[in-house]
Amino acid sequence: EVQLLESGGGRVQPGGSLRLSCVASGFTFDDHALTWVRQAPGQGLEWLSTISATGVSTYDADSVKGRFTISRDNFKNRIYLQMTNMRVDDTAIYYCAKDLGAAAGDYLENWGQGTLVTVSS
Amino acid sequence: SYVLTQPPSVSVAPGKTATLTCESHNIGTKSVHWYQQRTGQAPALVIRYDNGRPAGIPDRFSGSNSGNTATLTISRVEAGDEADYYCQVWDSTRSQPWVFGGGTKLTVL
Repeated sequence: EVQLLESGGGRVQPGGSLRLSCVASGFTFDDHALTWVRQAPGQGLEWLSTISATGVSTYDADSVKGRFTISRDNFKNRIYLQMTNMRVDDTAIYYCAKDLGAAAGDYLENWGQGTLVTVSS
Repeated sequence: SYVLTQPPSVSVAPGKTATLTCESHNIGTKSVHWYQQRTGQAPALVIRYDNGRPAGIPDRFSGSNSGNTATLTISRVEAGDEADYYCQVWDSTRSQPWVFGGGTKLTVL
């Protein structure tokens, strides 16, 4: 069974930093790209970042480019989202999701349960 | 940027058919995927590549895609189908390749 478990969420002040982690199991980790998607309170889904299976290629939404960095450790079956210079509108549930294949694209087969990030002073 | 437009809400009585749309220019030339998100839960894939059902999704769920409109159809609607539904496309020609629609809240009356 595919499992994705996010952690690292919490409360942070505007301008602060936070690192999210997602540990995966139940599939061959380094065969799949992985993606971060967030959902602000009462809002829809927003794609943030995707990293290819090898970690060589990454893709970022304009809303987080230069502030958020996606990375992965294929030995630990984990991906990360390093968030810096955070803003109030970064408040959201952050989901980790598994892409169909090694390269980014198509659809997200499986999702974690999400971790809540609150940016507030 | 590429925009996918979904109606904010759709209501349907139990046992009837719900039709949820996702509109964009020439969306019929792309593959559309649909996710269901029940209240308090993570999204889950219900339709891939316009009309394919992942394992475990009942055949009451079907999809189509042509012209400027993709459609998710849920037949014989049940109370458990009440959820938000999001369409999504992936366009490798764009710098922001992943695009989600704004979502439709399906209410079962």
